[in-house]
Amino acid sequence: GAGVSQSPSNKVTEKGKDVELRCDPISGHTALYWYRQSLGQGLEFLIYFQGNSAPDKSGLPSDRFSAERTGGSVSTLTIQRTQQEDSAVYLCASSLIAGGRTEGDTQYFGPGTRLTVL
Amino acid sequence: QQQVKQSPQSLIVQKGGIPIINCAYENTAFDYFPWYQQFPGKGPALLIAIRPDVSEKKEGRFTISFNKSAKQFSLHIMDSQPGDSATYFCASLRNYGQNFVFGPGTRLSVLP
Repeated sequence: GAGVSQSPSNKVTEKGKDVELRCDPISGHTALYWYRQSLGQGLEFLIYFQGNSAPDKSGLPSDRFSAERTGGSVSTLTIQRTQQEDSAVYLCASSLIAGGRTEGDTQYFGPGTRLTVL
Repeated sequence: QQQVKQSPQSLIVQKGGIPIINCAYENTAFDYFPWYQQFPGKGPALLIAIRPDVSEKKEGRFTISFNKSAKQFSLHIMDSQPGDSATYFCASLRNYGQNFVFGPGTRLSVLP
C-alpha cells in the first residue's frame, strides 16, 4: 500500500509569507507526528496527533507554527510570517497507534518537504 | 535531560568492516531506544529498536548493545556493505510521552 506522502516536496518562499505543508498518513494510522530536520542536524519533534487532537504541542518553536488534522487523516502544518531560520526539511510520520514501543507503533516517515525561506 | 548525544558525527569504513555508533542519554524516564536509517532525499526508516530490559538485540547484520547503568547504547553493523552508507539516528522515547528525542545523526560511508 501507499506510504506517507507529503506535499509539496520543495517550497521556496519569501520572508514574511505564510506556508502550508501537507501530510497524508498511511490509511488507518491514528497517530501522526511532525518533525523538523535542519541541515546536518537530527530530527526536532514539533507536534503529535492522536486522531484529530494534539496531546503534545511542546515542540512547536513559536506561535507562528500551528498544525491541524481533520478526519483523523490529513494534517497541515502552517508557518506564518516565515523567517529564514525556518528553512529546513519538515518530516511527517504516522504510526498505527501512539507510543512507538512495539512493532505496531513503528513510525513510518514521509519523504519530507524542503522549505527554503529567502 | 532531554538530550541524546551521538558519536561519531561521521564514520568511514571499508567494506566488511564493523562500524560502531554510540549514543548516550540523560533522562532515566526514557524506556525505548530505536535506531533509524536515512538515505539522502528520503525520510528515516526504523532499523532496529531495544528496550532497557535486555542488553543486546540482533536483527540480521545489525546489533544494538544497551548499557542501562551507563545510560548508553550503540549500533554495530556487521560485514558492512556500500549499501549501508546512510545517516543513522538514535532516538529515545519517554515512558510518559509519545515524542521521540533524536540524536544529531552519524553519516556512515562504507567504501567498496
